[in-house]
Amino acid sequence: AQSVTQLDSQVPVFEEAPVELRCNYSSSVSVYLFWYVQYPNQGLQLLLKYLSGSTLVKGINGFEAEFNKSQTSFHLRKPSVHISDTAEYFCAVSDGETSGSRLTFGEGTQLTVNP
Amino acid sequence: NAGVMQNPRHLVRRRGQEARLRCSPMKGHSHVYWYRQLPEEGLKFMVYLQKENIIDESGMPKERFSAEFPKEGPSILRIQQVVRGDSAAYFCASSPLEKGGWFFGPGTRLTVL
Repeated sequence: AQSVTQLDSQVPVFEEAPVELRCNYSSSVSVYLFWYVQYPNQGLQLLLKYLSGSTLVKGINGFEAEFNKSQTSFHLRKPSVHISDTAEYFCAVSDGETSGSRLTFGEGTQLTVNP
Repeated sequence: NAGVMQNPRHLVRRRGQEARLRCSPMKGHSHVYWYRQLPEEGLKFMVYLQKENIIDESGMPKERFSAEFPKEGPSILRIQQVVRGDSAAYFCASSPLEKGGWFFGPGTRLTVL
């Protein structure tokens, strides 16, 4: 079985400050890790994903995440946030990226960027 | 190439009525997944379908909920005799035959009065 824990339900930051959204996972098989963003009243948009290879993954909108197998973590970071980054962020894990695999989501972290 | 489409975007039903949620996958995608997002929670897997087949419905409530993905037309998630606890956002995702990940629709927000 797989599970995801997002350690912070709400993260308020000021504009242009750095931010880290924490995610820990558990899995008994190989993992594929994802971060999605959900803007108010919209669907989920893929920010980035880790499938294999380099443990530092770069995504859209200046976000990046680092896969740490020993700590079973996949924290999301951005060096300088904008007001427009205000949204809900979901970490997710899967046992594959082929059809038939399914995503297990964390509870989400609400990032609020204040001026 | 249009994305995953869901309709309606918002649906209001009274207790005891039926709710029908539709999902049209991306062109060329033959796999559909339904997820439910309850208020203040993450998304939870409900069901995975291919054309004319239910592959995995382990996340579906045992009663009142059903899903289909016919040979022609959209996938339908049907909730009979809705209750207030069914109020949630229901998201559909589609994927291609092989690798490619999942593409999510904008969701249907169901409110049960």
